[in-house]
Amino acid sequence: SQQGEEDPQALSIQEGENATMNCSYKTSINNLQWYRQNSGRGLVHLILIRSNEREKHSGRLRVTLDTSKKSSSLLITASRAADTASYFCAASNNAGNMLTFGGGTRLMVKP
Amino acid sequence: ETGVTQTPRHLVMGMTNKKSLKCEQHLGHNAMYWYKQSAKKPLELMFVYSLEERVENNSVPSRFSPECPNSSHLFLHLHTLQPEDSALYLCASSQGTFWTYEQYFGPGTRLTVT
Repeated sequence: SQQGEEDPQALSIQEGENATMNCSYKTSINNLQWYRQNSGRGLVHLILIRSNEREKHSGRLRVTLDTSKKSSSLLITASRAADTASYFCAASNNAGNMLTFGGGTRLMVKP
Repeated sequence: ETGVTQTPRHLVMGMTNKKSLKCEQHLGHNAMYWYKQSAKKPLELMFVYSLEERVENNSVPSRFSPECPNSSHLFLHLHTLQPEDSALYLCASSQGTFWTYEQYFGPGTRLTVT
């Protein structure tokens, strides 16, 4: 089965800096979703981008999708300490019958 | 709050015990899911229910038994678990079936099997 794989596995930045996380997947997708998880808690949905979209914004978040490279990126601008969390991408295949999560990127934003 | 609640939040059980995890969603969604999250492993889908019917079972051991009595409630019955079953168990729901909708997750149940 396909799998989203995030890169890097861990990222440490200073407050105010931008954070970029990447996700790669293996087969054609219907959509790709990004989630955030604070330590030991449930996942919170951030953005869903469909295969016919190239970029979406939500507040300080920007997600891009490059279907030719089978990759997506999540950019968090002007990061805050509260952005410290793990970020996961999840890819839905074209049949719409599978959503596979990657291993996540652990982001630490230092105040 | 995401509109999905899980109880208990923490559970310690012996390998011979029987326990149940409960999930409730207040969002009017049609689909509910159980996931297992172990340390340093990707999130693993265990079960999917759509309109109260199970549509996905990813070869989960029979010591895990799901139950979905209605579209708002989901249970995971546990019996004779193994220490490697210790993990965070997450429940989620979504508006539509399958995977074209965003999922709303509960806070999880931290399970420790001794």
